[in-house]
Amino acid sequence: GAGVSQSPSNKVTEKGKDVELRCDPISGHTALYWYRQSLGQGLEFLIYFQGNSAPDKSGLPSDRFSAERTGGSVSTLTIQRTQQEDSAVYLCASSLSLAGGGTGELFFGEGSRLTVL
Amino acid sequence: AQKVTQAQTEISVVEKEDVTLDCVYETRDTTYYLFWYKQPPSGELVFLIRRNSFDEQNEISGRYSWNFQKSTSSFNFTITASQVVDSAVYFCALSEVLRGAQKLVFGQGTRLTINP
Repeated sequence: GAGVSQSPSNKVTEKGKDVELRCDPISGHTALYWYRQSLGQGLEFLIYFQGNSAPDKSGLPSDRFSAERTGGSVSTLTIQRTQQEDSAVYLCASSLSLAGGGTGELFFGEGSRLTVL
Repeated sequence: AQKVTQAQTEISVVEKEDVTLDCVYETRDTTYYLFWYKQPPSGELVFLIRRNSFDEQNEISGRYSWNFQKSTSSFNFTITASQVVDSAVYFCALSEVLRGAQKLVFGQGTRLTINP
């Protein structure tokens, strides 16, 4: 696709359930990022992928959060045993690597809004 | 550690006024990049500008201008003759180079409201 695609756009779940959020980056972008934006807040870094590996997982809030990326493309962010404080918009972004001619600009998807009841 | 501070949480002005959004950053890197993104009510983040640490020239793009001053670690954004469509949350961000890619550290954002 032309841009970063995220699904679902909206997800309502019950506390304690697991959820999966999907990100399909721009074709050819080797770097992929997950951010979280809580209501009225800034963007909180969660995790970053370069290819299929995640050099920086420092932002994951707890061990209930995990992410993977396969084939250097699609990424899935999984939240296990969801809590109400997990409610937020989860934003995915991708970029070209600097070696690949990237300028550092991140291209963002429209986000997945998660509501935990 | 990288840090970006946008001290102004909310700004409200009347249309056609000029408005400046402040951004102050902290980094130990000698090479870094600064960004501004716009998040309109629809929610998507829109890239506005990127500036590298070696280029302190101010930039103007239509009604938008940016003032980068390394001496004060600031990268301020000015909108001239503001319009209602400028209403959005604006984020300043600082890059941290990680294995050939750039992780962005964002400020908390400034919510700008332009009243007709």
